[in-house]
Amino acid sequence: DVKVTQSSRYLVKRTGEKVFLECVQDMDHENMFWYRQDPGLGLRLIYFSYDVKMKEKGDIPEGYSVSREKKERFSLILESASTNQTSMYLCATGQAIEQYFGPGTRLTVT
Amino acid sequence: ILNVEQSPQSLHVQEGDSTNFTCSFPSSNFYALHWYRWETAKSPEALFVMTLNGDEKKKGRISATLNTKEGYSYLYIKGSQPEDSATYLCVSGYSTLTFGKGTMLLVSP
Repeated sequence: DVKVTQSSRYLVKRTGEKVFLECVQDMDHENMFWYRQDPGLGLRLIYFSYDVKMKEKGDIPEGYSVSREKKERFSLILESASTNQTSMYLCATGQAIEQYFGPGTRLTVT
Repeated sequence: ILNVEQSPQSLHVQEGDSTNFTCSFPSSNFYALHWYRWETAKSPEALFVMTLNGDEKKKGRISATLNTKEGYSYLYIKGSQPEDSATYLCVSGYSTLTFGKGTMLLVSP
């Protein structure tokens, strides 16, 4: 079974803090994705990566950056957290057509 | 249709009822249509992925159909059980995905 783990299930940060969300997969997949999910909206793509050191902007990249130094790990970085980044963040990994999701990190920025 | 639209937004049924949800998606540049089940505090779990017009998939009591020409898919649950309670996501795309807002199903014993 594919396993996608995220570093924290719940996280509370202050406005202005730098926040790292980590995602690790164990299936040697090329593609990794970061999404956020907000009430009343579908999952929205923040960034994705097709290979080590590669990154592509998704639909809502503003205020975020990513890092993929190793194939199995994809990090989402909030350089200066703001209250409008309070959300559920999901990482996914995939090969071609299918994506497998982590359990999510619920981030609250106060 | 520019986005993936799902209806109803939420549904409350009794154990044993059969139910169905609708998903509408852009029929142009279609690649694939996915259904996911997302239970509270768990990861979204893939139920089906369909690529061909007329595709029908079945897993136990759950089945799905696909019409790519008119841009819709139906998900059916026969004899709903409390463990079917979850949000069901319809998703369009191949590598980068477009998600619907989901249908939240609650099945009462």
